[in-house]
Amino acid sequence: QSALTQPASVSGSPGQSITISCSGTNSDVGSYNLVSWYQQHPGKAPKLMIYEDTKRPSGISNRFSGSKSGNTASLTISGLQAGDEADYYCCSYSSSLSVVFGTGTKVTVL
Amino acid sequence: QVQLVESGGGVVQPGRSLRLSCAASGFTFSNHGMHWVRQAPGKGLEWVAVIWYDGSNKYYVDSLKGRFTISRDNSKNTLYLQMNSLRAEDTAVYYCARDRSYGYSTTWDYWGQGTLVSVSS
Repeated sequence: QSALTQPASVSGSPGQSITISCSGTNSDVGSYNLVSWYQQHPGKAPKLMIYEDTKRPSGISNRFSGSKSGNTASLTISGLQAGDEADYYCCSYSSSLSVVFGTGTKVTVL
Repeated sequence: QVQLVESGGGVVQPGRSLRLSCAASGFTFSNHGMHWVRQAPGKGLEWVAVIWYDGSNKYYVDSLKGRFTISRDNSKNTLYLQMNSLRAEDTAVYYCARDRSYGYSTTWDYWGQGTLVSVSS
């Protein structure tokens, strides 16, 4: 149950697009359409942003989108805004009947 | 509105036990799987355990099997986490989260505010 690999930090200017990668294996990310993405602001609980690889919950801006290719999932934030500055975690179901999170990415809006 | 409220955290000595609770309201608790997730200070998220909507199935992260037990009381709309033989590395904020499904997915649409467990002598 090793953590999924994410870049430690990603930054962009307001209005730009950024992409956060989430690298797993064929025992987790690559085997199931069950990658989710969570946003966490400091001192707050995580918030669901993307589920089942590409789906967006109601109320989540369409500036957030998810994709997947092989063992790597990605979260793209377009039209970057100050309020997007937060930590982001990917999460996948694993064949060992468990769930594994990514290492987390700090998004900074320059 | 959906609410999840954790309680039971605090300071505990190594080797002792603690039971966390998560009181649910605003939805049909017995229709949803429930999870515990923890976050050590300054660290990332770690999934701890899941319990099926009816309590029939429970799964844990390998590193905690045997020390932690997840349970639920659907008559009280409450989720529990019994933590035994606590260690310093169990110090974390513990969150409960609602699964959108009856059982087990990675789609957790509501989270509690978290309760801090600090293991220290």
